Amino acid sequence: DAGVTQSPTHLIKTRGQQVTLRCSPKSGHDTVSWYQQALGQGPQFIFQYYEEEERQRGNFPDRFSGHQFPNYSSELNVNALLLGDSALYLCASSPAGGGGNQPQHFGDGTRLSIL
Amino acid sequence: AQSVTQLGSHVSVSEGALVLLRCNYSSSVPPYLFWYVQYPNQGLQLLLKYTSAATLVKGINGFEAEFKKSETSFHLTKPSAHMSDAAEYFCAVSVNTNAGKSTFGDGTTLTVKP
Repeated sequence: DAGVTQSPTHLIKTRGQQVTLRCSPKSGHDTVSWYQQALGQGPQFIFQYYEEEERQRGNFPDRFSGHQFPNYSSELNVNALLLGDSALYLCASSPAGGGGNQPQHFGDGTRLSIL
Repeated sequence: AQSVTQLGSHVSVSEGALVLLRCNYSSSVPPYLFWYVQYPNQGLQLLLKYTSAATLVKGINGFEAEFKKSETSFHLTKPSAHMSDAAEYFCAVSVNTNAGKSTFGDGTTLTVKP
């Protein structure tokens, strides 16, 4: 049973560039959430996708955008990268529309470094 | 809005000693509460969850947590620490109206001394 998979595992970019991160949810899951985890902090909610729509968004600027595909996989795009975007980006999936009582299954993350 | 406070960013115990990691939450509606563990260079793994059933919740690897509404707490305990328990632990809260959005604490790093 494949869990949540994310690619790439590491990425180095420079300020001003754009980046795309990818996530495949756990089999049977239809809801994907993205989190940013800065060093020494807990994950911060970016947004959640369900039925190919952004259902909810955290306190992140429009430079952060996403997409969900019909097979439930998802992408996170970040434009005009800033040094402060350096972090571990985590993808989490959950079943059945992702209700609040559903635990999330996390991938191992993409480590993004901005130079 | 919901929030989580984890008291103590670092906790150190001896192998075989009691583990106690503290979590206090704030929520205007009944919360769902979770504890996750994160090992270096890995994602988060669910330890246990409280979803309004029994207030004492048992999880994996011998961990348990008790939901105390009057204290707005959900502390994580384990009777006897193992070296393999050394990791970072996160408490998280969500509510049904937020469709699965979780708010995390800043984490507690657990060190286990031989």
